[in-house]
Order: sequence, then structure tokens, then C-alpha cells
Amino acid sequence: EVQLVESGGGLVQPGGSLRLSCAASGFTVSSNYMSWVRQAPGKGLEWVSVIYSGGSTYYADSVKGRFTISRDNSKNTLYLQMNSLRAEDTAVYYCARQGSSWPKYYFDYWGQGTLVTVSS
Amino acid sequence: QSALTQPASVSGSPGQSITISCTGTSSDVGGYNYVSWYQQHPGKAPKLMIYDVSNRPSGVSNRFSGSKSGNTASLTISGLQAEDEADYYCSSYTSSSTYVVFGGGTKLTVL
Repeated sequence: EVQLVESGGGLVQPGGSLRLSCAASGFTVSSNYMSWVRQAPGKGLEWVSVIYSGGSTYYADSVKGRFTISRDNSKNTLYLQMNSLRAEDTAVYYCARQGSSWPKYYFDYWGQGTLVTVSS
Repeated sequence: QSALTQPASVSGSPGQSITISCTGTSSDVGGYNYVSWYQQHPGKAPKLMIYDVSNRPSGVSNRFSGSKSGNTASLTISGLQAEDEADYYCSSYTSSSTYVVFGGGTKLTVL
């Protein structure tokens, strides 16, 4: 059974840093395209970042230069390092596996999400 | 403001059919057959309902169907049931630097 479990969210001050983790089971993270998608309170979904199976990474303009997506193959875990956090980064962050039908521009499994609150 | 435009709300009675629209541009919805739809119940993670415009994942009811015409994609739910009441989001690949864009979401109320 495919499962994604996020952790690492919490309250952080503006300008601070946080690292989110997404532990996967039931499949291999490194063999799949994996994304982070966020949802501000009461708002819609926003794609944040993707890491391809080959290791290429891409970011939304709103987080480029501040966030870094990575994975640990030995732990089958996806990460999102978030630096220089701003109030507008406040959201529930979901990790999501992208589907198998090429070119994989959809998300077939999602974690339960972890809340990041940026406030002083 | 979201890149894709959805109605804020739609409603229907049990047993009826409803359609949710998702309007984009030739750079996203109109230019590619990579539209997907997600269902989200309050406090829960999104669930994939349709991918690549009209494909239904295993386990999703055949009451859900997707289509596209020009720059507008649509999700149709037939035989509405109480458990269909949720928020629905469309998504599309985009040739802009954004990679994937979402609609603002549509709240479905089953009367």
C-alpha cells in the first residue's frame, strides 16, 4: 500500500528556516517524480517543487532561490528545505507522487499534509 | 488569483448530474491533454479523480468523467451522492515557468 507521511511543520519566525520530510512506503521515491504542493489556509492548491527520478529539480517562481527539494534514497524519504520564510509561505504542505502515465503531470498519491506557520 | 478559472460553487440534488468547468489558455488547458481533477473533503488531502483529461484511476467511480473543449475542461459527476460534497480542483500542465497550475477550486454542495 502506498503511503506518504509528512513531518517537520510548525511555527517559525519570518526569515527563519524549516525542513519538511515525507517518508514514503509501498514504492520507491527515487524511481518516481515527487512534488510538494501547498495550500494556504482557506485557499486553493499551489504547486511548489518537483524532483524527477533522474534528479532534476524545478521550482515555482514564488519559492525559487529559497526552497530546495531533495531525497534520501536510503531512507526512501523526500525533503523540502525552506529558507528565508515569509508570511505568505504559511500553508499546509503536501508531498505527492506523480502518476505513471507519461508525462506524469498529475498527482496520484498525497500525504496528509504538515502545517507551516510563518509568524512573529 | 489562480491561473485556471473555476466557478466558486455548484450545487445539485441527489441523483442529478452536475458539471464543473475549468478555463485556462492555449498555454495550459487548451494546448495540452494534461488536465487532472482532484476531490478534497474538509481537512483531508486531495484525491485524484481524473487524469489526462478523461482517464479515471482505478477505484474511482464511473460516475466521474472528464472532457475538454478548447481552453475549457469539465468534470461531470452523474448520479450525485451525499459523499460527493467536497471541494474540486482542476490542474493542468503549463508551458510557462510554473510547470503545473491549479484552479481556485469549486465547492460542490449536494442539496
